[in-house]
Amino acid sequence: QKEVEQNSGPLSVPEGAIASLNCTYSDRGSQSFFWYRQYSGKSPELIMFIYSNGDKEDGRFTAQLNKASQYVSLLIRDSQPSDSATYLCAGDTNAGGTSYGKLTFGQGTILTVHP
Amino acid sequence: DARVTQTPRHKVTEMGQEVTMRCQPILGHNTVFWYRQTMMQGLELLAYFRNRAPLDDSGMPKDRFSAEMPDATLATLKIQPSEPRDSAVYFCASRRGAGANVLTFGAGSRLTVL
Repeated sequence: QKEVEQNSGPLSVPEGAIASLNCTYSDRGSQSFFWYRQYSGKSPELIMFIYSNGDKEDGRFTAQLNKASQYVSLLIRDSQPSDSATYLCAGDTNAGGTSYGKLTFGQGTILTVHP
Repeated sequence: DARVTQTPRHKVTEMGQEVTMRCQPILGHNTVFWYRQTMMQGLELLAYFRNRAPLDDSGMPKDRFSAEMPDATLATLKIQPSEPRDSAVYFCASRRGAGANVLTFGAGSRLTVL
């Protein structure tokens, strides 16, 4: 079992719709979670991070974390064609020991927003 | 604007040759990661260092790959001998510590082994 798993996609939504991206993790020691966006041929860039249960909003983006269910999600409201990219979920093992600070990524979900 | 610098950006080599990729982390970032990205496997963690000490290199094929941090401003990833299956984009990334501190990626080194 991979440490971080994402719904495989690809996901296609119309412009203006809400895109929902999901991620589960297996290590209960993971405490911080990150969503990265990667355009084709580019390096991943951070969208937002979350480490407390509940929702965190930043503009059109909302990250949700449920530690009991070991579940992280990213909602993109009013999706735009420029949001078309691969979205990567990452979990940070922060429980001390040799894996302290280890950041593991999911496989990524390809999102296409069509006009 | 602080950035992670990787060289070379592109490398084409023949099977059996040695390949060395270099990374300069952001000043003050004490945790450095090497990832490999392919279409099939996604972004795989190869190795990572904290304060120049290797913490985990379990994702790296030990017989041909090696990773080092000779000093705080340089991380290297070496493949010897290279094989066609090593063709991928190799990313270096750095962060300060752990927790909520952001991981910043370099532009990547695209390796093609013929």
